[in-house]
Amino acid sequence: GAVVSQHPSWVICKSGTSVKIECRSLDFQATTMFWYRQFPKQSLMLMATSNEGSKATYEQGVEKDKFLINHASLTLSTLTVTSAHPEDSSFYICSAEDVDTGGTEAFFGQGTRLTVV
Amino acid sequence: AQKVTQAQTEISVVEKEDVTLDCVYETRDTTYYLFWYKQPPSGELVFLIRRNSFDEQNEISGRYSWNFQKSTSSFNFTITASQVVDSAVYFCALSEGINTNAGKSTFGDGTTLTVKP
Repeated sequence: GAVVSQHPSWVICKSGTSVKIECRSLDFQATTMFWYRQFPKQSLMLMATSNEGSKATYEQGVEKDKFLINHASLTLSTLTVTSAHPEDSSFYICSAEDVDTGGTEAFFGQGTRLTVV
Repeated sequence: AQKVTQAQTEISVVEKEDVTLDCVYETRDTTYYLFWYKQPPSGELVFLIRRNSFDEQNEISGRYSWNFQKSTSSFNFTITASQVVDSAVYFCALSEGINTNAGKSTFGDGTTLTVKP
């Protein structure tokens, strides 16, 4: 099946620094990608929709200036957590839709565990 | 607005027992997709099944089976002869709309399944 790769798988950073997480579709093109956040023992909450070549659409309550999303190509979306703080520590997961399936199939990355100390 | 309810927070069974994970959903759309994912301790989401709203056929895949009933808005998942490797968190998810964004889903809170040897 199709593969979505996230990098890094885990990262530890100091409070106040920025962290970039990459989401790549390895064998298909994805005009739309999605970013989720999952706190320990909780469900996945959609943060934003990333559209290739245009601005991301953020869910209510998600700070645009804190979670910068860039989708510069059909195979790559990045999420940058700016000025990270301990409360940003979480598991971040992306999903990508295969253009050829008309949006009916999506594939999830393996997730990135962010720890801010 | 859409909603997915997984009433069972945790289930514990002994190996070889059958177990059913419940999922009830709410949506105003007539066209939608339902999904089940498995999240093992490593964190990645493993896709198990996708079912569209027009296909009420039950499905069996090895030890897994799914029962979709629109009349009760339920999409339950049964594991037959459970194994220790089935231990994981299982999420039910819903995507709405005729132009379904499979990657943009509303997730239930998950059911943690523990299979004891």
